[in-house]
Amino acid sequence: GAGVSQSPRYKVAKRGQDVALRCDPISGHVSLFWYQQALGQGPEFLTYFQNEAQLDKSGLPSDRFFAERPEGSVSTLKIQRTQQEDSAVYLCASSSHGTGEWAGANVLTFGAGSRLTVL
Amino acid sequence: GNSVTQMEGPVTLSEEAFLTINCTYTATGYPSLFWYVQYPGEGLQLLLKATKADDKGSNKGFEATYRKETTSFHLEKGSVQVSDSAVYFCALVNSGSARQLTFGSGTQLTVLP
Repeated sequence: GAGVSQSPRYKVAKRGQDVALRCDPISGHVSLFWYQQALGQGPEFLTYFQNEAQLDKSGLPSDRFFAERPEGSVSTLKIQRTQQEDSAVYLCASSSHGTGEWAGANVLTFGAGSRLTVL
Repeated sequence: GNSVTQMEGPVTLSEEAFLTINCTYTATGYPSLFWYVQYPGEGLQLLLKATKADDKGSNKGFEATYRKETTSFHLEKGSVQVSDSAVYFCALVNSGSARQLTFGSGTQLTVLP
């Protein structure tokens, strides 16, 4: 597609429920990132994929968070047993370059985000 | 580690006023620096970037100069418009092993007619 598409745009979950957030990157983009943006804060890195390989998951806050990109295109971020502190906007971004080439020289395209509210 | 410190907002200006949003950073190595803008209901968009010391990034009348000696990348615009109202984020990526952007906390700008 023309841009990075994320769904759902808004999700309300009761504490303890599992949620799944979807990211459709720009077709052919190699790199895919997930970020978490708490209210009034800047985005914080969660995890990174190059094609289907998850090369960095150092930002995932707990083992309740899981991300996958099985065919190297669409990615899903899953949060199990949601807690109130998980309430945030989850941003997906993609890039046509792999990490070896991209530092500083490339541009990430961000989706509009999925806003998760945990009650 | 890497960190970015931004001027706290919100910032409210009248149309045609001069804008400065301060940004300083801490990083190992030689980072590249970015300003992103987030309009209501939209995704983050790259506004401008600079990849080495003394580079000036510019776009849509906004400018920022990479100052290694002061570890700063302040955003400026000579005459703001109502349409510039948005949240502005300063960010860096390190040319070393880190792949991800590190963002500041954002500065909300409101421009009044």
